[in-house]
Amino acid sequence: KAGVTQTPRYLIKTRGQQVTLSCSPISGHRSVSWYQQTPGQGLQFLFEYFSETQRNKGNFPGRFSGRQFSNSRSEMNVSTLELGDSALYLCASSSVTGGAISGYTFGSGTRLTVV
Amino acid sequence: EDQVTQSPEALRLQEGESSSLNCSYTVSGLRGLFWYRQDPGKGPEFLFTLYSAGEEKEKERLKATLTKKESFLHITAPKPEDSATYLCAVPGNQFYFGTGTSLTVIP
Repeated sequence: KAGVTQTPRYLIKTRGQQVTLSCSPISGHRSVSWYQQTPGQGLQFLFEYFSETQRNKGNFPGRFSGRQFSNSRSEMNVSTLELGDSALYLCASSSVTGGAISGYTFGSGTRLTVV
Repeated sequence: EDQVTQSPEALRLQEGESSSLNCSYTVSGLRGLFWYRQDPGKGPEFLFTLYSAGEEKEKERLKATLTKKESFLHITAPKPEDSATYLCAVPGNQFYFGTGTSLTVIP
């Protein structure tokens, strides 16, 4: 079965711009979580959506937002980009919220570079 | 506060030199401990899930074990292709990841 699909794979944006990243979970998975990964900070939790509702949110500024559609696909938006937003953004899907029981399956990520 | 700590941060091994990676956790009501492997520029790839103290899982040269406070990932006779970052995670209010151990296996 198809895995978690993230688009685009690479993105270069200018400071002050905004960006939207997309994630299609494994078929049947209703939970989608987003993580930011940087060399110094590791995997930092952004938010989780389950059945179109945000279930949990990490400690990121309001410039980071997301949503989930009725088909479980999710988008993440970052407004007013800063240089420090350069990172690998990972999406993960699970059949249940919180990743319990089966854990998460990750996509390959979107590499965002802000210049 | 739920927390996951991994050690060492980095590990260099000669091919064939066995070793262990550590993951210690503090979380109330453990609902599983997960190990992932991550190659550069890619998403983490699932390796194992352990649910109760004393449980062990094996896959090729890797064996994961779990106690009440920590988990070990034992690597037996590693090969260069085992070079990667190994992450552990526990589910809580969110999925808590450790910062990982970067393993390099030298031919």
